[in-house]
Amino acid sequence: DTGVSQDPRHKITKRGQNVTFRCDPISEHNRLYWYRQTLGQGPEFLTYFQNEAQLEKSRLLSDRFSAERPKGSFSTLEIQRTEQGDSAMYLCASSLHPLGGSTDTQYFGPGTRLTVL
Amino acid sequence: GNSVTQMEGPVTLSEEAFLTINCTYTATGYPSLFWYVQYPGEGLQLLLKATKADDKGSNKGFEATYRKETTSFHLEKGSVQVSDSAVYFCAPKWNGNQFYFGTGTSLTVIP
Repeated sequence: DTGVSQDPRHKITKRGQNVTFRCDPISEHNRLYWYRQTLGQGPEFLTYFQNEAQLEKSRLLSDRFSAERPKGSFSTLEIQRTEQGDSAMYLCASSLHPLGGSTDTQYFGPGTRLTVL
Repeated sequence: GNSVTQMEGPVTLSEEAFLTINCTYTATGYPSLFWYVQYPGEGLQLLLKATKADDKGSNKGFEATYRKETTSFHLEKGSVQVSDSAVYFCAPKWNGNQFYFGTGTSLTVIP
């Protein structure tokens, strides 16, 4: 299966620690997205990349959050000095954005569940 | 701003019952409209989509029609099965690149 993969699937950390998550998109997808989903809510957009360029960031993405996609393939999302409010499911999605088009389907990974104690 | 309102759950139906899950969005422009489904223990999967007014998306017996007049994209299925038990998310996407997901509607189908 060559779907979107995320690692780790679960992460438990203590408040104040840094954590890093990885996302491997579907091969040849040029866009990669990060979302956050809390219990009982739909996913909320955090940021997205087209190839290696980070093109948009949500206001939800505080200074403690940073995302990279250095070679236009996999991406990492780092949270520094974690807080209990960061506890959530972090979802990654990828898509193949057509040239000159605006509508593409996003394919989601299984998510990384973060628990901050 | 852009937003979406989705019927609250949980919804419990008997097998073979008719399903409707309502979804409406704010009328700022003409988004593409998507329904995603999340089965227990799995990631979000695209269920169906429609990209312009009056388009009908369909998949696995589910249907939804893009209604510009009522800014709605209600999900329907004529006869649900136990295997349809999942959480369903309505997700408009405007000219930007992010989805605006609804809060999700949990469906449980009992035999």
